[in-house]
Amino acid sequence: NAGVTQTPKFRVLKTGQSMTLLCAQDMNHEYMYWYRQDPGMGLRLIHYSVGEGTTAKGEVPDGYNVSRLKKQNFLLGLESAAPSQTSVYFCASSSPAGGLNSPLHFGNGTRLTVT
Amino acid sequence: AQKITQTQPGMFVQEKEAVTLDCTYDTSDPSYGLFWYKQPSSGEMIFLIYQGSYDQQNATEGRYSLNFQKARKSANLVISASQLGDSAMYFCAMRGLEGNNRLAFGKGNQVVVIP
Repeated sequence: NAGVTQTPKFRVLKTGQSMTLLCAQDMNHEYMYWYRQDPGMGLRLIHYSVGEGTTAKGEVPDGYNVSRLKKQNFLLGLESAAPSQTSVYFCASSSPAGGLNSPLHFGNGTRLTVT
Repeated sequence: AQKITQTQPGMFVQEKEAVTLDCTYDTSDPSYGLFWYKQPSSGEMIFLIYQGSYDQQNATEGRYSLNFQKARKSANLVISASQLGDSAMYFCAMRGLEGNNRLAFGKGNQVVVIP
């Protein structure tokens, strides 16, 4: 009954370091998303994927890259971390079967601090 | 472009009373979906309720109901008989073809239930 699992839960990086956030879902969902949440800003979409091997830019894609090599996994990479990337990152997935009424299922988030 | 507006300041509500959270939206899509999510202090995003733009009746899920006024482009969440566990941030979100089927979020409403 895992749903959407994000690893790690917490991470502290120094400016310029790189890291990859992993998202895994066991619901066989086609669509996957990466959001960031900052105080007073709600959730903003970074990148998303509508199927294995496909990715697309969201609202705030700069400084991030993603890959969807397997249907169940969606990776978010930071090549050279900046303090402005300090945030809480959420992964989500959904099924296209319900069309516009399919809710997103969220992971528990990754709290990233860049010093 | 899609836009979700939640402008209420933090709200205090007495336990067992009802509370209404305002959400207005803007879109040129004829067909779209509206969602509400709850984010307690533990951080996870919990899906509460969905309303389709063509639904004739307002959505209800247990103590949650959605006051949907299409002409005014508003989708207010009503929580009846508030409980202490309802203390959380609440996010309104919209999904439509204009946004390539992505879920766009408002900035959230903070609710604190007091005994």
